[in-house]
Amino acid sequence: EDKVVQSPLSLVVHEGDTVTLNCSYEVTNFRSLLWYKQEKKAPTFLFMLTSSGIEKKSGRLSSILDKKELFSILNITATQTGDSAVYLCAVGSNRDDKIIFGKGTRLHILP
Amino acid sequence: ETGVTQSPTHLIKTRGQQVTLRCSSQSGHNTVSWYQQALGQGPQFIFQYYREEENGRGNFPPRFSGLQFPNYSSELNVNALELDDSALYLCASSFERITDTQYFGPGTRLTVL
Repeated sequence: EDKVVQSPLSLVVHEGDTVTLNCSYEVTNFRSLLWYKQEKKAPTFLFMLTSSGIEKKSGRLSSILDKKELFSILNITATQTGDSAVYLCAVGSNRDDKIIFGKGTRLHILP
Repeated sequence: ETGVTQSPTHLIKTRGQQVTLRCSSQSGHNTVSWYQQALGQGPQFIFQYYREEENGRGNFPPRFSGLQFPNYSSELNVNALELDDSALYLCASSFERITDTQYFGPGTRLTVL
């Protein structure tokens, strides 16, 4: 059965710290790995990764995919209170058009 | 703003009742996916519609059904509500089944008492 596992499930850090969120997956016919940020309701898209070893960056956020070891990390440097959210990892499969989500990591940044 | 809207925002129903949730997709997006997100969980895929036909279904019973209309709107219907149906229901629209680049609506929070 396809699955996506995120760790840790929750994390509390102080403003200015750097955090690393983990996502491992077992999905048949991998197509892509996606990261979303969910603050209140609608998940908002952060990154889509399809190739191993190529880092994607957006400001203080970056992500990389390892297709051999079947995992991805999301890094956030110099965290701010506005980074507090649930970060969702999802994997798309070429077998069908479903996206399989992990349970998310709840990140809380203390001022 | 993703251009995807959902209604209502919140809804309270009692066990056994039926509910219809609505979603309006981005113009030109002919694929809509529906997800159920229970508290503390990631979104779980319910089903997907492409050009008004069901195009895939997750592990949800038949009392979860849907419709997609030509005007880029869609519905999720749930019959015989159970307490465990309480969740945030999200719709997401995308172009030509490319769900990697789907845009989520704000969701409908359903509470079943």
